[in-house]
Amino acid sequence: RKEVEQDPGPFNVPEGATVAFNCTYSNSASQSFFWYRQDCRKEPKLLMSVYSSGNEDGRFTAQLNRASQYISLLIRDSKLSDSATYLCVALGNYGQNFVFGPGTRLSVLP
Amino acid sequence: EAGVAQSPRYKIIEKRQSVAFWCNPISGHATLYWYQQILGQGPKLLIQFQNNGVVDDSQLPKDRFSAERLKGVDSTLKIQPAKLEDSAVYLCASSSWTGGGYGYTFGSGTRLTVV
Repeated sequence: RKEVEQDPGPFNVPEGATVAFNCTYSNSASQSFFWYRQDCRKEPKLLMSVYSSGNEDGRFTAQLNRASQYISLLIRDSKLSDSATYLCVALGNYGQNFVFGPGTRLSVLP
Repeated sequence: EAGVAQSPRYKIIEKRQSVAFWCNPISGHATLYWYQQILGQGPKLLIQFQNNGVVDDSQLPKDRFSAERLKGVDSTLKIQPAKLEDSAVYLCASSSWTGGGYGYTFGSGTRLTVV
């Protein structure tokens, strides 16, 4: 089983739609979680950290369920510019490196 | 703040040749990572340095890959000899955190094509 797994995608949604990405992690000792965004042929960039209480940043909401070892990202009112691959990240076994999921590709259509 | 610098941006080599990549982390960042990202997959950690010491190289194919960070700043990653399956983007990242986890910054990567 891979350490971090994500919805396989791709997700094709119309502008204005709400879309949710799911992610599970296998290392119960992981303490930190993040969502990264990666545009085509670009490096991953930090989108947001994920806190136990859940957190929101504009149209983006991240949730963490430690009991189920599950992380989610909700994007409301999708924009064309949201089209990218979204990578779920969990702190790795050595406690200092990140383990990336395979990513879920999102295409927001006009 | 200057970002993580990597060079070259692109490299095309024939199989069995050697190649080296260079990374200069954000100033003051003690931790440096090399990741390999194959097309359609998430980045996979190859090696992690804390200053000039190796923290984790468990996924580095040591028969052909090597990396160093001699003075705890710049780092080089070498592949010798390259195989077709080494075609990927090689990403360098750095962070200043010491066990907490604040996310880290990637360089723009080196896209390697082995033909």
